[in-house]
Amino acid sequence: AQSVAQPEDQVNVAEGNPLTVKCTYSVSGNPYLFWYVQYPNRGLQFLLKYITGDNLVKGSYGFEAEFNKSQTSFHLKKPSALVSDSALYFCAVRAVSGGYNKLIFGAGTRLAVHP
Amino acid sequence: DGGITQSPKYLFRKEGQNVTLSCEQNLNHDAMYWYRQDPGQGLRLIYYSQIVNDFQKGDIAEGYSVSREKKESFPLTVTSAQKNPTAFYLCASSPQGVSGDTGELFFGEGSRLTVL
Repeated sequence: AQSVAQPEDQVNVAEGNPLTVKCTYSVSGNPYLFWYVQYPNRGLQFLLKYITGDNLVKGSYGFEAEFNKSQTSFHLKKPSALVSDSALYFCAVRAVSGGYNKLIFGAGTRLAVHP
Repeated sequence: DGGITQSPKYLFRKEGQNVTLSCEQNLNHDAMYWYRQDPGQGLRLIYYSQIVNDFQKGDIAEGYSVSREKKESFPLTVTSAQKNPTAFYLCASSPQGVSGDTGELFFGEGSRLTVL
């Protein structure tokens, strides 16, 4: 079965420090992987995606993610955290079922950046 | 501006009542989706539609119904059969629903339903 795991409910980091939000996946075939961010009572905003090519993907707001096929991971990273990065982050993988696309989401990780 | 509009943003319902959540998009996207969000559970797929007049059940379709009479509209009805309807509901769309599309979704701002 296709699935996504985000092992940490919350990540705490001091402003200016690097941050990592972890994601592992299970999917048949080549994975299409995504990161989204959600601010309180808002919809999800797309950050970045991995389809093919370079394992290091750069996205919006200075975020990047590293695809690791052997570890089936797609961790989200940022070299220097900002207080405004505090939000809920979702990892997702594309699943194809009966010819239809859908995204399967992890449970989310809350990032708290402290001044 | 192009985007996805969900309404209402907040909705209160008495037990036993059906409610309909609106989702409209002007992105000319073929595929539309409804997700339910509960704390600590991420997003779960309710229904999705690849083209007009066609839709498929997602993982938690029981107690919900949808229609897709127009490309730009995909309303969700939460029926009285849904046992625990209090949640945040998110509508999304993507350019194409068939293989070849990367699967990237564009989301609306959500509708929060509370059952009193």
